[in-house]
Amino acid sequence: QSVLTQPPSASGTPGQRVTISCSGSSSNIGSNYVNWYQQLPGTAPKLLIYSNNQRPSGVPDRFSGSKSGTSASLAISGLQSEDEADYYCGAWDDSLNGYVVFGGGTKLTVL
Amino acid sequence: QVQLQESGPGLVKPSQTLSLTCTVSGDSISSSSYYWSWIRQHPGKGLEWIGYIYNSGTTYYNPSLKSRITISVDTSKNQFSLKVSSVTAADTAVYYCARDQGFWTDYWGQGTLVTVSS
Repeated sequence: QSVLTQPPSASGTPGQRVTISCSGSSSNIGSNYVNWYQQLPGTAPKLLIYSNNQRPSGVPDRFSGSKSGTSASLAISGLQSEDEADYYCGAWDDSLNGYVVFGGGTKLTVL
Repeated sequence: QVQLQESGPGLVKPSQTLSLTCTVSGDSISSSSYYWSWIRQHPGKGLEWIGYIYNSGTTYYNPSLKSRITISVDTSKNQFSLKVSSVTAADTAVYYCARDQGFWTDYWGQGTLVTVSS
């Protein structure tokens, strides 16, 4: 049971816009940055969004992040076949002396 | 370019201690202001944060694993290590080492599968 809650799956057709939600609590998302990671099949996760809405160098601007209260969202516009991957949200949690928590992951299928 | 590489046994017997090392290149553990992390992923499952260490030796651990975890750093070799004691089949996972900004993880190793089995 993950501390952050994500839908297990999402899908879209090429060119569409899809969003993936991440729900938490006041001790994690509500008071800390949210980050998003993309994991392509058989590879290590890659940082996609940090500090709620910042993109590392090299990440296309098709990917965007937002946060409101104790929830966050990842939006992917102009969906491409290579976006098919697992997506994880993560955040610091202030409880129990502090630790990093992740969502259970969302498998994105490009139809 | 920062690169991280995990190394260690791929098979560990139940009740024994799992030991992994991460070798860092492209950055100096002793002089950088980053945290050095271990994260694992059970087969077909999501990510689980294990803990991280700062170059001063300060550590932060996942509360659910804290009693069995030790993360240490060897600045002379630019490496950091993970030990998990009293392992069971539930510790079978791909283990990733990574560099952490303190609030997000920006570089990951390729991961190494550790299987706990007799």
